Amino acid sequence: AQKITQTQPGMFVQEKEAVTLDCTYDTSDPSYGLFWYKQPSSGEMIFLIYQGSYDQQNATEGRYSLNFQKARKSANLVISASQLGDSAMYFCAMRDLGGFQKLVFGTGTRLLVSP
Amino acid sequence: DAGVTQSPTHLIKTRGQQVTLRCSPKSGHDTVSWYQQALGQGPQFIFQYYEEEERQRGNFPDRFSGHQFPNYSSELNVNALLLGDSALYLCASSLDSDVNQPQHFGDGTRLSIL
Repeated sequence: AQKITQTQPGMFVQEKEAVTLDCTYDTSDPSYGLFWYKQPSSGEMIFLIYQGSYDQQNATEGRYSLNFQKARKSANLVISASQLGDSAMYFCAMRDLGGFQKLVFGTGTRLLVSP
Repeated sequence: DAGVTQSPTHLIKTRGQQVTLRCSPKSGHDTVSWYQQALGQGPQFIFQYYEEEERQRGNFPDRFSGHQFPNYSSELNVNALLLGDSALYLCASSLDSDVNQPQHFGDGTRLSIL
């Protein structure tokens, strides 16, 4: 069974600084995908970044980058130059690429960006 | 290009009642998944519909059922509502043939059981 662990219930960062949100995963599937989603207080889940298990390079999307360490089974999200609008819940999720598209989520990290 | 739309936005029901939530997938998507997100938790997978069939199900009782229509839209039905069913219900759509693309989520339906 797949499992996602997010050990940071809350994180604080000052505006314009970088922050790393931790995510570790467990799976026996050889081919899988890792996702990060942002959930503002309004509730919608906003896709941020994706990393495939066979991707050689770490994924980047604008201010978001994924620090993928396969041997350690970690997929940490790095947000550079934090903005006030980055305050939200952040969820790490994974799915088996060889099967159906069920996503398994972690418990999330609440990020608060202060001026 | 419309994204995933869900209705209603909010719903209040009492124990024992039945509820139907609706979801229209993003244009071009053929797969719909439903998730339950309790307060302070991550979303939990309920089930997924593809080609009008339920093809994968999470650890939810039979009180939770669904349907997918020929236009790919979907409904989630919950019977005999319990207080513990209070949650945000999220619908996500995707294209079955594109495994590396993310699921796109709607804004959710907040269901409160009194």
